[in-house]
Amino acid sequence: DTEVTQTPKHLVMGMTNKKSLKCEQHMGHRAMYWYKQKAKKPPELMFVYSYEKLSINESVPSRFSPECPNSSLLNLHLHALQPEDSALYLCASSQGQFGRPDTQYFGPGTRLTVL
Amino acid sequence: GQNIDQPTEMTATEGAIVQINCTYQTSGFNGLFWYQQHAGEAPTFLSYNVLDGLEEKGRFSSFLSRSKGYSYLLLKELQMKDSASYLCAVRILTGGGNKLTFGTGTQLKVEL
Repeated sequence: DTEVTQTPKHLVMGMTNKKSLKCEQHMGHRAMYWYKQKAKKPPELMFVYSYEKLSINESVPSRFSPECPNSSLLNLHLHALQPEDSALYLCASSQGQFGRPDTQYFGPGTRLTVL
Repeated sequence: GQNIDQPTEMTATEGAIVQINCTYQTSGFNGLFWYQQHAGEAPTFLSYNVLDGLEEKGRFSSFLSRSKGYSYLLLKELQMKDSASYLCAVRILTGGGNKLTFGTGTQLKVEL
């Protein structure tokens, strides 16, 4: 089983709203990732959690706030977003092992529209 | 910085063979992945190379030359369902852990 689930599938929010994206995996993976993907562009890394600790933040604006409550769950809290933040937000997970393939498996994404 | 290049678009005929190239200039290279992404869907893992040479998995093969900063994905016996974007991604080892940097992606169109 290589399934990563994400909710919601679609989200429309205003610039003053607060919302959260959720990601879950039950593969025993210890690394989880958030990516942002604009249309016809490759995914861009935002955050990496390794063993439930934030290990990489790619200089993402503070209006995006990640949270890893446990090894299976990853949240992305959104507040005061801008229209240019509209994109597909992808979650991924991997075993988290150095020196191994450590293949990342992606969820289906949340299509976010900011009005 | 990291630089990963792929052709933007390619067109091929059903049943044919197509080769998608990827060139990279990165520091901290720790492996190269190929992903397939259909429109509106998640990227799905196709192949992985960390040593030089060819890796074969069914209709898909991937090649790596670390000295040349070059990889290719070879798709044989093309099917219409292979129409998708193909993403080359380089894994880089940083102080914070492994991170994937994706190339620009190649949109493959398979025609009858």
